[in-house]
Amino acid sequence: EDQVTQSPEALRLQEGESSSLNCSYTVSGLRGLFWYRQDPGKGPEFLFTLYSAGEEKEKERLKATLTKKESFLHITAPKPEDSATYLCAVQAAGNNNDMRFGAGTRLTVKP
Amino acid sequence: DAGVTQSPTHLIKTRGQHVTLRCSPISGHKSVSWYQQVLGQGPQFIFQYYEKEERGRGNFPDRFSARQFPNYSSELNVNALLLGDSALYLCASSLEVHTGPPWNEQFFGPGTRLTVL
Repeated sequence: EDQVTQSPEALRLQEGESSSLNCSYTVSGLRGLFWYRQDPGKGPEFLFTLYSAGEEKEKERLKATLTKKESFLHITAPKPEDSATYLCAVQAAGNNNDMRFGAGTRLTVKP
Repeated sequence: DAGVTQSPTHLIKTRGQHVTLRCSPISGHKSVSWYQQVLGQGPQFIFQYYEKEERGRGNFPDRFSARQFPNYSSELNVNALLLGDSALYLCASSLEVHTGPPWNEQFFGPGTRLTVL
């Protein structure tokens, strides 16, 4: 069965203190690995899709990387507005594209 | 461009009642998926529809049902509500379901917060 585990569950950083979030996964035939940002009470906001090991994508202070077993979301010099829950999800090859999500990492950035 | 829209925003029901949630996908998207998100957890897949046909079903009881209309909008119905059905219900749309990037990428709506008393 497909599984996604995110760590840590919660992370508190000072503004400017860089760090990484981890997403470990097992899936039979990876079609894609997705990162979303979710603010409290709102729907997830799409950030990145990664499709093959070695792939990297960047957006502002965020950089996502992918290996055959895990993905990292690197946050460089975070700001308070980066505070949110970051969700990782995998999609397996098949006739539908439903996603299996991890429980998320709740990031708090203090000024 | 309008994103995924959902209605209502919030809903309060009592145990045993029925509820209908609605979703309109991004223009041009043919697939709609429904997810349930309980507080503190990631979204859990309920259903996926593509071109009005069910393409996937998660591990939810038969009290949950859905359908997709010719204009690609969708409804999620839940019968005989239980306290445990209280959650944020999310709708996501994508261009396609069986192809690769970027057509399989899913974009979420704001969700409907359902509270069952």
